[in-house]
Amino acid sequence: QVQLQESGPGLVKSSETLSLTCAVSGYSISSGYYWGWIRQPPGKGLEWIGSIYHSGRINYNPSLKSRVTISEDTSKNQFSLKLSSVTAADTAVYYCARRSLGYWYFDLWGRGTLVTVST
Amino acid sequence: DIQMTQSPSSLSASVGDRVTITCRASQSISSYLNWYQQKPGKAPKLLIYAASSLQNGVPSRFSGSGSGTDFTLTISSLQPEDFATYYCQQSYDIPYSFGLGAKLEIK
Repeated sequence: QVQLQESGPGLVKSSETLSLTCAVSGYSISSGYYWGWIRQPPGKGLEWIGSIYHSGRINYNPSLKSRVTISEDTSKNQFSLKLSSVTAADTAVYYCARRSLGYWYFDLWGRGTLVTVST
Repeated sequence: DIQMTQSPSSLSASVGDRVTITCRASQSISSYLNWYQQKPGKAPKLLIYAASSLQNGVPSRFSGSGSGTDFTLTISSLQPEDFATYYCQQSYDIPYSFGLGAKLEIK
């Protein structure tokens, strides 16, 4: 059974860099699929951040592209998110998710982790 | 960017009711439309992909239809566990975008 689990600090200071990791079990991330990040501010909707493919192909949301870096560590079977220069607007639950090939839907999600940006 | 508009944003219904939620894209997205269910404190769960394909393990009372710009999610007979928020998502073009959600509450 494939599972995704986010980890990282729950509190980040304004202007600093948010760093999260998603550990994948039950499937090798280098075997295929895109792996990505989606966030949800408290009480609000979902925003796609970006996705990475094992070949190194990466897609970012243009609205965040200047501040986002997504990378993978195949030796640890995990991928990571870094978001720089955070503000209170970046406070959200951050989900990692697997994106299918083909119709590009998100078929597996982690449980999510709340990151609060302190001012 | 493609904007996704859902309606209604909230609705009340009873167990056994038939419910329909609509999603409209700001431009044609062919069949690149997916539906998710989210319960409080939980991650979204994929219900329908490619507008009308039922994800494995999802009850057959859920169905999706549409293409181009207009799509619907139908629950044929509401069950107690179906009360949740439903999101549509377009996967036609980057940035992938979601609707603002439709909150389904018990009447």
